[in-house]
This record gives sequence, C-alpha cells and structure tokens, in this order.
Amino acid sequence: QKEVEQDPGPLSVPEGAIVSLNCTYSNSAFQYFMWYRQYSRKGPELLMYTYSSGNKEDGRFTAQVDKSSKYISLFIRDSQPSDSATYLCAMSARYQGGSEKLVFGKGTKLTVNP
Amino acid sequence: DGGITQSPKYLFRKEGQNVTLSCEQNLNHDAMYWYRQDPGQGLRLIYYSQIVNDFQKGDIAEGYSVSREKKESFPLTVTSAQKNPTAFYLCASSYQTMFREQYFGPGTRLTVT
Repeated sequence: QKEVEQDPGPLSVPEGAIVSLNCTYSNSAFQYFMWYRQYSRKGPELLMYTYSSGNKEDGRFTAQVDKSSKYISLFIRDSQPSDSATYLCAMSARYQGGSEKLVFGKGTKLTVNP
Repeated sequence: DGGITQSPKYLFRKEGQNVTLSCEQNLNHDAMYWYRQDPGQGLRLIYYSQIVNDFQKGDIAEGYSVSREKKESFPLTVTSAQKNPTAFYLCASSYQTMFREQYFGPGTRLTVT
C-alpha cells in the first residue's frame, strides 16, 4: 500500500462548480498537510498548509483534514478556468530521534471549462 | 521580492556531458531540496541540504551530485552516469526542516540527446 494515494484524474468540471480533491494516506505519523497547485511546465505553488485536523479556509479554498480516516481534501468553490492545473497533496512526519519524512501525492489534473 | 530562482529554464545537452543546474533562494531558508518530476511519476527527491556544507541523498541520488557552499545556493550537477537525465528538475526550500512546507522554484527542463 502506498503511503499517499491521490486519484490522477483527469477531473473536468464546468465553471462555477465546487471541486473536491482528495488524498488518502496510510502512515498515521503524518501530522503536517499541504496542498500545491502546479500549472503546466511551472513549479508547484503552495496553496495551503495545516497542522491539525479540521478545516482551514482561504478565500475560495478550504482544506480539510480527517486524521481518524487518514483522509485530506481540498475544496474549491466557484471554480474558475484559471484554477485549471494539477493539484498535489503533501504530508510530513517527524519521528522520535529527529528524522523526518515528506511525501507528495502524484497529483490530480483539474480542468475547469468556461 | 523573496523567492527561488532556477536557471536556465530550458537546457539541452549531448549524452555523456555533465551539466549543472542553478538554484538560488533569498527567503533565508535553511533547507534546500532537488526533485525530479517525470510524467506519471510524481516528485522524486534527489538530494537535500539542511545546513551549509552538509547534504543528504534522497530517493534517487545515483548519477547526481550537489554542493552547498552558501546558504542561498544549492546547485545540482547531472553527471553522465545518470541513465535517464531528461526530466523536469525542481528546486525547493523550506524553513529549517523537511517537516515544514516547501516553496518551489520555476523549474528547469533538461533534455539530453
């Protein structure tokens, strides 16, 4: 079982739709959760990060973490064609002894159609 | 403006040649990273450095080398020993440790023929 699973899509939605992007994970040591947006042939751009369970909102974006289910989500409200990109989740763990691990999902490709 | 710069954006080399990719950051971050991104493979960690003059191998370090002589700079050399060097290379940095969020540069597309 992979540590982080993310459906690659592609996901295609009409403009204005609510988009839900998800990742599941198997490592219960993950504590820090991030979402990135990557446009074609560009570097990933950090959208949101959270250190706890629950919701975090920033404009049209809401990040949700459910540690009991090992499931994280990114919701995009009122989606726009400019939201068309690949979205990557990432999560990190810090272990006793000081070692750390950061794992990225492979990304979900989203297209928002005008 | 604070950020990470990578140069060049596109790089073409003949097989058998070493090539060095540049990465500079002015975010005052301690940690810097190099990733390789191939279609369908996601991001794979090549090398990382959490302090000047020290660096660690990532998951796919074979055929690559790095140096960290200055806090702001973390160049990556793709050597002729790297069997499949054509890829999109991304540099990133973070505050102090791998545990925290990373900020990425714009990437360098390397093509080796």
